[in-house]
Formats: sequence, C-alpha cells, structure tokens
Amino acid sequence: DAGVIQSPRHEVTEMGQEVTLRCKPISGHDYLFWYRQTMMRGLELLIYFNNNVPIDDSGMPEDRFSAKMPNASFSTLKIQPSEPRDSAVYFCASSQEGFLYEQYFGPGTRLTVT
Amino acid sequence: AQKVTQAQTEISVVEKEDVTLDCVYETRDTTYYLFWYKQPPSGELVFLIRRNSFDEQNEISGRYSWNFQKSTSSFNFTITASQVVDSAVYFCALRGSQGNLIFGKGTKLSVKP
Repeated sequence: DAGVIQSPRHEVTEMGQEVTLRCKPISGHDYLFWYRQTMMRGLELLIYFNNNVPIDDSGMPEDRFSAKMPNASFSTLKIQPSEPRDSAVYFCASSQEGFLYEQYFGPGTRLTVT
Repeated sequence: AQKVTQAQTEISVVEKEDVTLDCVYETRDTTYYLFWYKQPPSGELVFLIRRNSFDEQNEISGRYSWNFQKSTSSFNFTITASQVVDSAVYFCALRGSQGNLIFGKGTKLSVKP
C-alpha cells in the first residue's frame, strides 16, 4: 500500500490567501484525522472523520478553517484567509474502523504564511 | 480530562548507551490505548507500538522495549544499545473513548557517535 498521501509537501503563501491541503488515506481505512504541529503547541487534533462524516471538529481553531471528505479516498483542509500564525506542519492520518487500531500518518504539509 | 506528560524535553546519549523515555498519562476511561510514535528528522510520524489498558505485559521488539504500569499510569520506552539512527523525537499518545489521539509534547533524543 502507498500509505497516506498528502499534497503539497510544502506551501508558501501570503497572508490573506486561500490555502488547500489535500489527503488521500490508506484504502480501507474508515477514519481520517487532520493534525497540526507547531513548536509551541505540539501535535493538535483539528478534526476527524468516520466513514466520510465529520465526527469531532472541536479542534478547528477558527471559522477560517474548514475540512471536507467528499469520498472515502480524499479529504481537504482549507484555510481562508490564511494568517502567519497558521504556519505549521499539517498531518493527515488514517486508521481502520475502531478505536484500537493505530493511526498511520502522511508525510505532512509544511505551510508557511508570510 | 485526558493528558499525556513527557517530562523529558531532550535527552542526549552516546551510542551504545541504554536510554529510557518516560511517559505518564491521565484518563478516567477504563478502556484506553497507549501508543509510541517516532518522528525522525525527515518529519514523518512512524508508529512503534500500541498497548491496550487491559494488557500490562511488557513488550520487547529488538532493541526496543516498553514497560506499562497501570499502578503508576506510566508507559515508558527503553532503547537498548542506542544507535545514531535512533535520533528522533519520540511521542507518547493516549487514545480514549472519544477516539482521538492525545499526544505528549515529545522527547527529543540525540544519539552521538
């Protein structure tokens, strides 16, 4: 299996621009998670989906952030408008059905907002 | 509330030394899962081990071993005969009934030749 795929790997944008991060989970995995990693706050869960349905988005920092999962093989995380404090590494992860299974992470997208 | 504490921010050892990374967790759930992940300098997060709350048996995998003690709410990770390639940030994580993972702040391990 190819593992979790994220694109782009690096994104540099100017404040105020819209940013879209993309994720393809491992085939057959029913859970998809979006995390953000910063030096100050560590790894934070933003939102997760089960069978394409958002289950918990309490970690989404503001209305500027939105996430969708239109089908089992694709998810997006959008920031509009972006701000410098959004600069971080964004990870997507997926896991099989059930809480006992480990999450497999993508390589991450390093976002820099200037 | 659920919480994971990795008190050691950074550890530096010389190759071939043994090193233990500490992890203490808090949860009110009776069923939960503990994980260790490795984040090498390349940035990806690599799954190392999962342990459920009903299984306190220690586990060994090559040079890696894990000691789970419910009595002290700890899930410590030991690397025996460390190698330079073990240099990474190691995260302990807790997964409770809500399904999400709660990560500790991580311990940065530097193994010097």
